[in-house]
Amino acid sequence: QVQLVQSGAEVKKPGSSVKVSCKASGGTLSSYTLNWVRQAPGQGLEWMGGIIPIFHTTNYAQKFQDRVSITADASTRTVYMDLRVLRSEDTAVYYCARGERSEAARTMTDHGFDIWGQGTTVIVSS
Amino acid sequence: DIVMTQSPDSLAVSLGERATINCKSSQSVLYSSNSNNYLAWYQQKPGQPPKLLIYWASTRESGVPDRFSGSGSGTDFTLTISSLQAEDVAVYYCQQYYTSPLTFGGGTKVEIK
Repeated sequence: QVQLVQSGAEVKKPGSSVKVSCKASGGTLSSYTLNWVRQAPGQGLEWMGGIIPIFHTTNYAQKFQDRVSITADASTRTVYMDLRVLRSEDTAVYYCARGERSEAARTMTDHGFDIWGQGTTVIVSS
Repeated sequence: DIVMTQSPDSLAVSLGERATINCKSSQSVLYSSNSNNYLAWYQQKPGQPPKLLIYWASTRESGVPDRFSGSGSGTDFTLTISSLQAEDVAVYYCQQYYTSPLTFGGGTKVEIK
């Protein structure tokens, strides 16, 4: 069974960047996508974007298009989310989440997000 | 973007009673080519990541108790917990994966009365 293990908490200054990693252990990612979902304190869930690791194909929410990059390293089974020009509003828990995706999929998943990482807290503060 | 609106924001239900959560999408998430509704439900307990309960609006994820059921089509969906257990106290979210960006409802908090 695949497990997703994320990197540790970060404290960043406004205007800086953060890179969060998500390593998959066990199983295969060949028919899956890896997505990033964030949750501000006391708030709901917000999808930021995702990647099809075997093709390195990405899809981002327009809101984050200019500031986020999602990349994958197949050799280490690790996906990265790089968020630039951080603001206080980016303070949140960031989750990676696996989505099962067939060739007929309309988006990054056909079945919702079935496996989630434990979350990485990112605090943006001067 | 498709806006997902959940109601109520919170509800308190007695143990063993039924809990019903509604989710409405701003446009249809029913794909006519395969007749599937591209909608999922998640459960999130404090300090934990979300857990997938339902996909395709009504298909239970493996291992999810059968007291959880999903229904609806097009723009109106319901998550029902048929007999609320103490361990079901959580926030529940709907999500559409019909079109990008994938979007979530605002969440419904379920508590014990």
